[in-house]
Amino acid sequence: GAVVSQHPSWVICKSGTSVKIECRSLDFQATTMFWYRQFPKQSLMLMATSNEGSKATYEQGVEKDKFLINHASLTLSTLTVTSAHPEDSSFYICSAMPPLPWNTEAFFGQGTRLTVV
Amino acid sequence: GENVEQHPSTLSVQEGDSAVIKCTYSDSASNYFPWYKQELGKRPQLIIDIRSNVGEKKDQRIAVTLNKTAKHFSLHITETQPEDSAVYFCAASVNNDMRFGAGTRLTVKP
Repeated sequence: GAVVSQHPSWVICKSGTSVKIECRSLDFQATTMFWYRQFPKQSLMLMATSNEGSKATYEQGVEKDKFLINHASLTLSTLTVTSAHPEDSSFYICSAMPPLPWNTEAFFGQGTRLTVV
Repeated sequence: GENVEQHPSTLSVQEGDSAVIKCTYSDSASNYFPWYKQELGKRPQLIIDIRSNVGEKKDQRIAVTLNKTAKHFSLHITETQPEDSAVYFCAASVNNDMRFGAGTRLTVKP
């Protein structure tokens, strides 16, 4: 199947700093990518939908200024957690779906475990 | 928007028994229903999917049923094995907008 690569797989940062997470589709062009947050033993919570060349669509309750999403190319989307705080510590996962045909499986990155100290 | 509910949240079965996980969805336009398995610390992996023009689909020990009228779909795992232990997510998708259920933690006891 298609491959989505997410980097880094884990990161520890100090409170107040920013962290960038990359999500790449390696063998297909993804016009749309999705960013999820997952707390321990909980579900995948959609944070935002990232569209190539346009602004991301954020879910209700997700701070746009805190979680900056950039989808500059058809194979790369980035999530930047700005001014990170300990409560931002979580598992972040991206996914991408090929543009056609619609409604195919979502391919997930391996996830990034963020720990803010 | 689409709302997907999944039950139960936890499920424990003896090895060899069957496991059933159920999901309901709200958007009648949803037409693609994948199931993902997520092992601890790993990315979700697709295990089976079904489209709205099909009522049932089977792949070895795994089967999925879909009732579009009632807007619910289910995952059935037969002859469960310890390696089936994981968190399972259902999802419903319309126009590439995929929403997930809350997940079911399945534990298969040897």
